[in-house]
Amino acid sequence: SQELEQSPQSLIVQEGKNLTINCTSSKTLYGLYWYKQKYGEGLIFLMMLQKGGEEKSHEKITAKLDEKKQQSSLHITASQPSHAGIYLCGAAYNAGNMLTFGGGTRLMVKP
Amino acid sequence: DAGVIQSPRHEVTEMGQEVTLRCKPISGHDYLFWYRQTMMRGLELLIYFNNNVPIDDSGMPEDRFSAKMPNASFSTLKIQPSEPRDSAVYFCASTRDRKGAFFGQGTRLTVV
Repeated sequence: SQELEQSPQSLIVQEGKNLTINCTSSKTLYGLYWYKQKYGEGLIFLMMLQKGGEEKSHEKITAKLDEKKQQSSLHITASQPSHAGIYLCGAAYNAGNMLTFGGGTRLMVKP
Repeated sequence: DAGVIQSPRHEVTEMGQEVTLRCKPISGHDYLFWYRQTMMRGLELLIYFNNNVPIDDSGMPEDRFSAKMPNASFSTLKIQPSEPRDSAVYFCASTRDRKGAFFGQGTRLTVV
């Protein structure tokens, strides 16, 4: 979706390195969702952010939503091969919960 | 809970044939979404339901596509007639309380 841009499109990192994925919306977000997808499988819900400035963590993954609620970042600390996959951000622009997805970031972690 | 269940997991059909994809959402969820994923276009929302009622079908590509939700525990997405460009992975997702939609494993459709 052109309303939602993810960067980078792909990323290769060495195991143990930190990395950041960005998601930028052209409109103010009602909510921002992060998902992970492995090839051939469905999307796994990671986190939802709704308040400006909000930050959430799950194991070694931290997601933030900026104060203006138009940009979110996903940060992985000390990456592991198990982190490999496609990370997608999904935007909700109203309470009806219809999600628009970004193009995804394909992450590879080299052992 | 078994999660969102989709069937079949894989479908190969010939151009012109009717295809029906099925979805069982998580019990108690009042929103159901159908998405299509391709390499070229990424993940696209086709249609979504709230309490079994279609709310927005603006993402449905053509009249060849139709979706129904006869009750809270079942939905179908039908393509008739199917075309090679319909080949994609189709996902069903459900949610409640806006805490994040749960996705099924998807149906990989190949139209030859």
